[in-house]
Amino acid sequence: KQEVTQIPAALSVPEGENLVLNCSFTDSAIYNLQWFRQDPGKGLTSLLLIQSSQREQTSGRLNASLDKSSGRSTLYIAASQPGDSATYLCAVRIYNQGGKLIFGQGTELSVKP
Amino acid sequence: ETGVTQSPTHLIKTRGQQVTLRCSSQSGHNTVSWYQQALGQGPQFIFQYYREEENGRGNFPPRFSGLQFPNYSSELNVNALELDDSALYLCASSPRTSGTYEQYFGPGTRLTVT
Repeated sequence: KQEVTQIPAALSVPEGENLVLNCSFTDSAIYNLQWFRQDPGKGLTSLLLIQSSQREQTSGRLNASLDKSSGRSTLYIAASQPGDSATYLCAVRIYNQGGKLIFGQGTELSVKP
Repeated sequence: ETGVTQSPTHLIKTRGQQVTLRCSSQSGHNTVSWYQQALGQGPQFIFQYYREEENGRGNFPPRFSGLQFPNYSSELNVNALELDDSALYLCASSPRTSGTYEQYFGPGTRLTVT
């Protein structure tokens, strides 16, 4: 059974810091992995999607990496800003299960001015 | 291009009642998935619909059921509501032809069962 874990559960940093969020999964047979952002009480906004054949994806100040063999992904946020404060969720897709996503519990990020 | 929309935004029901939540897919998307997100947790997959048929289901009891309509909009029905059904219900749509199965999420419906 695929399980997704995110560490830490919460993180508080001063503005301007670079930071890394971690995601681990138990079964390396994933189709792809996706990182989302969620503001309190809101829906999910897709940040980055990494196919199983890829090692990383970048969008602006965000960089996500994928190491399937070790069952790990990281989301790197450069030069953090107060507007980055939100919960960040990673989710994996498994082969032959269509679009079903298996989520971690999220990391709640707070960036202090 | 209109994104995924959900209605209602908030809902309060009493234990034992039934509820229907609605979702309109993003234009051009023919697959809809529903997720339940309890407070402080990641979303849990309920089921997915493609071409008006259920196409995958998570560990949810039969009192959770759904429909997909010819215009690809969808409903989630929950019978015999329990207190633990209180959660944010998220709908996501995706184009079946997408090789990535990337899903686009709506804003969610907050259901409170008292």
